[in-house]
Parts: sequence; structure tokens; C-alpha cells
Amino acid sequence: DQQVKQNSPSLSVQEGRISILNCDYTNSMFDYFLWYKKYPAEGPTFLISISSIKDKNEDGRFTVFLNKSAKHLSLHIVPSQPGDSAVYFCAASVVNDMRFGAGTRLTVKP
Amino acid sequence: DVKVTQSSRYLVKRTGEKVFLECVQDMDHENMFWYRQDPGLGLRLIYFSYDVKMKEKGDIPEGYSVSREKKERFSLILESASTNQTSMYLCASSRRSGAKNIQYFGAGTRLSVL
Repeated sequence: DQQVKQNSPSLSVQEGRISILNCDYTNSMFDYFLWYKKYPAEGPTFLISISSIKDKNEDGRFTVFLNKSAKHLSLHIVPSQPGDSAVYFCAASVVNDMRFGAGTRLTVKP
Repeated sequence: DVKVTQSSRYLVKRTGEKVFLECVQDMDHENMFWYRQDPGLGLRLIYFSYDVKMKEKGDIPEGYSVSREKKERFSLILESASTNQTSMYLCASSRRSGAKNIQYFGAGTRLSVL
């Protein structure tokens, strides 16, 4: 069963605009949420995270929002840049158990 | 910087062969993980280890085994490779569970079983 879902396999945005990537989860025990970014031929790299006690975490152009009642989180990238083109994985964890979504391929067009 | 190194970037093996995928991390992390990544399925956990000589099954352990004889090294073994094991394999490591359980990944090994 997929406990973490990313329902959009792909997203295309114009450079300078906002990119919004979405993620839903089913397990209310998850207490830590992460976004990873993956370029082709490389492993995923950690991007940003949020604890379940918060609803927003910001790091430069990247902001993660958490809506616990809806079991939903989102990643906002503003402004989007061509170098942001990659596959983004959402992950949720509790203790040593981390679950990943299927990924969303973001393409930022110049 | 944390470095997780996977010994091979690409491997081509034949059905029935025994395959070893090696992973080494240099940050003294207690936890190590093996995932496979397939299109539309994301990362699925095969096995993980939270200490030397310790191992736990993940979601899809069938057809795989692991070995962790030293803290820095975690090996994934395909006892008899099959075509449905063609995939991208990713190794990761992390500190023992804490408030920020960030996993650090290697570059991956793309395995093709013919």
C-alpha cells in the first residue's frame, strides 16, 4: 500500500513562476516530512524538511507547507529556475520507517 | 559532506547469476538502507540495517539478501538474478533515529538482468 502519494507524475512551469508540488499521506503516525530532489544519473539529495509540529518551513526559494488535518504537504519553489528541473520525491517518516512517493518530474522552461 | 559510494554505476548480468551490490558510507552512520527505484513506484525499501550484523526486511525483500560485516559497508545480494530485478538500486545511510531522520543517498546502480 502506498502510504505516500504524489498524484502528479509531471509538472511544467515557466522560469520565474511558482512551482507547486503536492504530496498526500495516509499514516497519521508520520512525524517528519522531507522533500528530495533527484537529477538523472544521481542519487536523491535532501532538499527541505518539516516536523509535524510545524505548518511551514522556508529555506530560500523553497517552502514546504504541512496541513496535518488534510494529511497533505506541498513544496513551493519561487521563483523557479531551469536548474530546478529534476524529479522531486516526497517522503514521510516515523522512527526508522521512511516512505517515499513515486516522484514528480518538474520541468522549468526558460 | 556525507558521502555514500556505490561500487558500480551500471551492471549487466545474466539470469541466474549471483550479483553483489556494494555500498560504503564515510559518516559513521548507524543506519543503512537498500532501495529500488522503478518508474511510477518511487523508492521501495528492500532491506535496512541499524547496526553491524543486524538486518531488517523492508517491503520487498524477496529474492534479495544483505550483509553488514562492518559499520561503513552494506552489501545487497541477488542470489539468482531474474529479469524482474532489472532496476535502479539506491543505497542510503542515516544517523540512528532522531528528530531529523535525513537519509543520504549514493548515486545508484542501474542493473540490467538479461
